Amino acid sequence: GQQLNQSPQSMFIQEGEDVSMNCTSSSIFNTWLWYKQDPGEGPVLLIALYKAGELTSNGRLTAQFGITRKDSFLNISASIPSDVGIYFCAGQLQNNNDMRFGAGTRLTVKP
Amino acid sequence: DTEVTQTPKHLVMGMTNKKSLKCEQHMGHRAMYWYKQKAKKPPELMFVYSYEKLSINESVPSRFSPECPNSSLLNLHLHALQPEDSALYLCASRWLSDTGELFFGEGSRLTVL
Repeated sequence: GQQLNQSPQSMFIQEGEDVSMNCTSSSIFNTWLWYKQDPGEGPVLLIALYKAGELTSNGRLTAQFGITRKDSFLNISASIPSDVGIYFCAGQLQNNNDMRFGAGTRLTVKP
Repeated sequence: DTEVTQTPKHLVMGMTNKKSLKCEQHMGHRAMYWYKQKAKKPPELMFVYSYEKLSINESVPSRFSPECPNSSLLNLHLHALQPEDSALYLCASRWLSDTGELFFGEGSRLTVL
């Protein structure tokens, strides 16, 4: 299937720092979604992106849908300890119900 | 209501058992998904139902049998599983459109002995 390349794989940061992660693919996507998953729970949707170039914020989170429709990034500003978890990007191919996930970015925030 | 409900939360079964995982949503979504997730890995797509019909089967072994009895319910029937099938099984749903957010349940943690 189509592959989403998510990076970095993990990040160790100090509380208050900003974080950036991204996903790229060789395929064109209709939708980019960013999720956070805590241990033993299902992924929780953070931000949804639908248009090329779209920049959307949700509190301290900001995400963008790349102009080429093949990439997206997520920024977290002023990180706090509860930001700890695994962040996944997910993309929906055009005219398709197929929703694929990146490998995830494991975020650790040191108080 | 943006809730996808999965039962049971935990299931332990032997390799000869037959069991089922259940998923329910009342958001009017017409696409429903099963994902399998191993520890420290991303969710891996198994099946997609659109309008209660199977539209995607990612070459999943036949010991996993999905069923969509109506637009609100999705089941995953399990039979003759292997220990390597132990994982978190996630159900998700969304509107059927070119765009649409995918909402997940909390998952069913399956252990095969």
